Amino acid sequence: DFVMTQSPDSLAVSLGERATINCKSSQSVLYSSNNKNYLAWYQQKPGQPPKLLIYWASTRESGVPDRFTGSGSGTDFTLTISSLQAEDVAVYYCQQYYTAPPYTFGQGTRLEIK
Amino acid sequence: EVQLMESGGDLVQPGGSLRLSCAASGFNFSNYAMTWVRQAPGEGLEWVAGIAGGADATYYAHSVKGRFIISRDNSKNTLYLEMSSLRAEDTALYYCAKDGLLAVAGRFDYWGQGTLVTVSS
Repeated sequence: DFVMTQSPDSLAVSLGERATINCKSSQSVLYSSNNKNYLAWYQQKPGQPPKLLIYWASTRESGVPDRFTGSGSGTDFTLTISSLQAEDVAVYYCQQYYTAPPYTFGQGTRLEIK
Repeated sequence: EVQLMESGGDLVQPGGSLRLSCAASGFNFSNYAMTWVRQAPGEGLEWVAGIAGGADATYYAHSVKGRFIISRDNSKNTLYLEMSSLRAEDTALYYCAKDGLLAVAGRFDYWGQGTLVTVSS
């Protein structure tokens, strides 16, 4: 099975500054026939269910602010929040959906305000 | 508006059984795969099981295979998770989530609020 490893485990960033979260897959999630990376990012705020932010590694879900950007290909991916807002405090998860199930999530990265 | 509402969570003894339900509304239920994801207290997300829109394919995590059964009733817009031989490590908040496609594709665009299962004597 795929193993998804995020770094760092936690991160404190000042308001208005950039936050960067990394995700590494144990195997490539790039499907060569359509050149798509089967990688999603979710945001989970305290006491709430997860929310889909980004899929295909870089496509924002409808309604997600453009300060959230996903990048990367193959095995290495990044979620960047360009200018941190107070409402962005959350745990962020990457998830691969390359293979038939089981699907796997990263362990999560906790983002806080410095 | 898409809504998913889980129910059925409870305190159950090790070895016991429980059935979770997820009532869906706001979309054409039979056109989408559905999934269960769980989160142990203070822990991360673990995918548990998925079922295609036509219920013609089901998938399970290794940790629950042979003990849990996912099913759906498209006439009632309801997803189920039948859990048996429950263990302490099954204690978690169980979320149902909508997949983005008819087939189980792994991209979960809507989530319920979750229902809590506690396995303890």
